[in-house]
Amino acid sequence: DVKVTQSSRYLVKRTGEKVFLECVQDMDHENMFWYRQDPGLGLRLIYFSYDVKMKEKGDIPEGYSVSREKKERFSLILESASTNQTSMYLCASSLGNLGMYEQYFGPGTRLTVT
Amino acid sequence: AQSVTQPDIHITVSEGASLELRCNYSYGATPYLFWYVQSPGQGLQLLLKYFSGDTLVQGIKGFEAEFKRSQSSFNLRKPSVHWSDAAEYFCAVVLPYNTNAGKSTFGDGTTLTVKP
Repeated sequence: DVKVTQSSRYLVKRTGEKVFLECVQDMDHENMFWYRQDPGLGLRLIYFSYDVKMKEKGDIPEGYSVSREKKERFSLILESASTNQTSMYLCASSLGNLGMYEQYFGPGTRLTVT
Repeated sequence: AQSVTQPDIHITVSEGASLELRCNYSYGATPYLFWYVQSPGQGLQLLLKYFSGDTLVQGIKGFEAEFKRSQSSFNLRKPSVHWSDAAEYFCAVVLPYNTNAGKSTFGDGTTLTVKP
């Protein structure tokens, strides 16, 4: 079974803190994704990566950055956390680059910024 | 503009009743189509997918979906709902041959409540 793990299920941080969310997949997938999920807004793509050290902006990259130094690991960084970044963050991975492969999701990290 | 629409935000059905969740897309070409389910406190799990061929696809947990090109729709169905089907359901599309890592666009989701 494909497994996508996220470093924390729940996280509470203060405004202005630098926050790291870690995601690891164990199936040698090329692609990895970070989404945020908010009630009524569905899933919105923050960043994605199709190879090591490669990244592309998604629909809402402002206030976030990412790092992919190893194929299995994709990190989301909030440089200076703000209250409007309180959300559920989902990581996903998928195989290949032709779009026909489904995404496998981690359980999510619920981040609260106070 | 390209979009995925799930018209129903919330649906309530009785256990044992049939279910249909709607999904419409607006793209120039027929995209790859997916349905995912998210149980409370969990990540998303794939139910089924469609690329080409037979327009009726079978998935896990007794779900099926029908692709209708003329209506740009990919509706999810289940003949008899179980209480454990209560969850949030997402339709997603990927443009074919898109080299952007299979980037998906998700609908806003439909929350299913099952009455005993």
